Amino acid sequence: GENVEQHPSTLSVQEGDSAVIKCTYSDSASNYFPWYKQELGKRPQLIIDIRSNVGEKKDQRIAVTLNKTAKHFSLHITETQPEDSAVYFCAASGTSGTYKYIFGTGTRLKVLA
Amino acid sequence: KAGVTQTPRYLIKTRGQQVTLSCSPISGHRSVSWYQQTPGQGLQFLFEYFSETQRNKGNFPGRFSGRQFSNSRSEMNVSTLELGDSALYLCASSPRGAAEAFFGQGTRLTVV
Repeated sequence: GENVEQHPSTLSVQEGDSAVIKCTYSDSASNYFPWYKQELGKRPQLIIDIRSNVGEKKDQRIAVTLNKTAKHFSLHITETQPEDSAVYFCAASGTSGTYKYIFGTGTRLKVLA
Repeated sequence: KAGVTQTPRYLIKTRGQQVTLSCSPISGHRSVSWYQQTPGQGLQFLFEYFSETQRNKGNFPGRFSGRQFSNSRSEMNVSTLELGDSALYLCASSPRGAAEAFFGQGTRLTVV
């Protein structure tokens, strides 16, 4: 069935270092890959996304890369700050036009000051 | 624009009872989807509605149901509550033609 694997489950980095979170999806029909950040007690917030016709997208300190052949996509955060500490979820959508997302299990990122 | 609004924010119910959760999407958004979030299972898709029609349903028992009204507001209902239904229930709305989904704060349901 549809599945998204996410690694690592926890990640600790020093402030200013980079963080990388990786996801693998199983459904080759997936065409949209959002990343959400969820702080404790708050809603998941969309931070960046990528569509299947694009290999890389960047927004300031955050970037996402997609390898369709390998069914891998990754989140890269550079120059990490304490406020980046949160749980990050990757997701893959299915058929175009629907909003059924398959989520990864989440990565708890801790940025140590 | 106001964000996605979910009510109530917190609920405590007893096993065997039923519960109805409400979601008001962002103005102009016609698609609403629901997710269950638990520490063990993460975020799991429940169902998706567009223009009052259910377009997708996740792998949940028939005790979980939902509907969408003509003003795009949505409700989900869980009958015969079980302890394992304790979770954060999240609603997301999406604008037509866009892939992004925007989440509400969720309703935290505790079944005792």
